[in-house]
Amino acid sequence: QSALTQPRSVSGSPGQSVTISCTGTYSDVGGYMYVSWYQQHPGQAPKVVIYDVFKRPSGVPSRFSGSKSGKTASLTISGLQAEDEADYYCCSYGGSHTLVFGEGTKVTVL
Amino acid sequence: VQLVQSGAEVKQSGESLKISCQGSGYAFSMYWIAWVRQVSGKGPEWMGVIYPDGSDTTYNPSFQGQVTFSADKSIRTAYLQWTTLKASDTAIYFCARVLRDCSDGNCFSRFFDFWGQGTSVTVSS
Repeated sequence: QSALTQPRSVSGSPGQSVTISCTGTYSDVGGYMYVSWYQQHPGQAPKVVIYDVFKRPSGVPSRFSGSKSGKTASLTISGLQAEDEADYYCCSYGGSHTLVFGEGTKVTVL
Repeated sequence: VQLVQSGAEVKQSGESLKISCQGSGYAFSMYWIAWVRQVSGKGPEWMGVIYPDGSDTTYNPSFQGQVTFSADKSIRTAYLQWTTLKASDTAIYFCARVLRDCSDGNCFSRFFDFWGQGTSVTVSS
């Protein structure tokens, strides 16, 4: 079970959009609609911002959106804000009751 | 909904350890609990899941045989246990509630909707 591939870092100015990719295989990301994204600020537990590829939990701003094409899922933050600076991790169901996380992407707000 | 984990631990290599995760504010017996390891500066790693009555577990092969999950639904608590700690076990360990989707007898873990605050485990050699 290998970690899903994410870019190490992305950055953008306030108000801009950034997109984070998450590439797996057809045994995980490409095989199921169970991709989730987590935001983690330093010293805190992760918090889900997207689940089931594109669904947004109550209380998560609408500037967070998710999508998937083939074996690559994406998280887009539109209208970047200072508080969005954090680490982001994707996670996918991997078959046989397993889950696999991505390597993580640091989002920097310039 | 809250998951409250036990406090930080500092141990010596070779010692045993059991950390806990107590749920409140929801029907504990209806949701699986996952354990997640995060080494400093690294991403989370899914260790496995346990059914809240302790009757069923799935381990990440990378952790199989290295740790043991257990649970006591009467006190709404899940546990993660080591019999022989190693320095490489140094990390923060999170518990998280798992949302699952079941149909036609097949179940899929979808995502983690609530997390504990994490338990720091430091193992010195």
